[in-house]
Amino acid sequence: GAGVSQSPSNKVTEKGKDVELRCDPISGHTALYWYRQSLGQGLEFLIYFQGNSAPDKSGLPSDRFSAERTGGSVSTLTIQRTQQEDSAVYLCASSLLGGISYNEQFFGPGTRLTVL
Amino acid sequence: DQQVKQNSPSLSVQEGRISILNCDYTNSMFDYFLWYKKYPAEGPTFLISISSIKDKNEDGRFTVFLNKSAKHLSLHIVPSQPGDSAVYFCAARGSNDYKLSFGAGTTVTVRA
Repeated sequence: GAGVSQSPSNKVTEKGKDVELRCDPISGHTALYWYRQSLGQGLEFLIYFQGNSAPDKSGLPSDRFSAERTGGSVSTLTIQRTQQEDSAVYLCASSLLGGISYNEQFFGPGTRLTVL
Repeated sequence: DQQVKQNSPSLSVQEGRISILNCDYTNSMFDYFLWYKKYPAEGPTFLISISSIKDKNEDGRFTVFLNKSAKHLSLHIVPSQPGDSAVYFCAARGSNDYKLSFGAGTTVTVRA
């Protein structure tokens, strides 16, 4: 079946502009995660959605970052007033279940964001 | 503050030989550890994991070793194959957490 998809694959924007990144999780997966990988760094947790529960936004680096998940499926990560330090690869993952029981996270190919 | 560290950014190994990737962690609450493999332009894919109640887990050519007292784990690939050339990420989480903490990755190149 189809895996996690993300769009766009690449995004180049100017400093100060807003961007939206999209994630389509695997159908039926209830948990969705956003991570980002800056140059030379590991994947950094940003936000977690699980079913109808309130999302865990503890990893969002600033209030310029927000995310939503509509209908328990597609998710959009929005970065307002982008800064050069926002340049990174943004990865989305989904898992069948969430919570503390480990369920394998399946990753999308990522969106490479470059802020000029 | 990186809680998971992969101090070797790259590793080059000859085909057929052993690849050893190392990972250190600082958070004593971590009790589940994973290795992910990533090819260019693709997302990371799960490779192998180990729970803290074990010190070794083997899956085919891949073996993960865990030394809890040293807060250290390693991934052994034997024998290494050209298709193993990729970036390998070490990740960890606590028993009461769903968030994974990742290392920066090690790029493995297997030479023919």
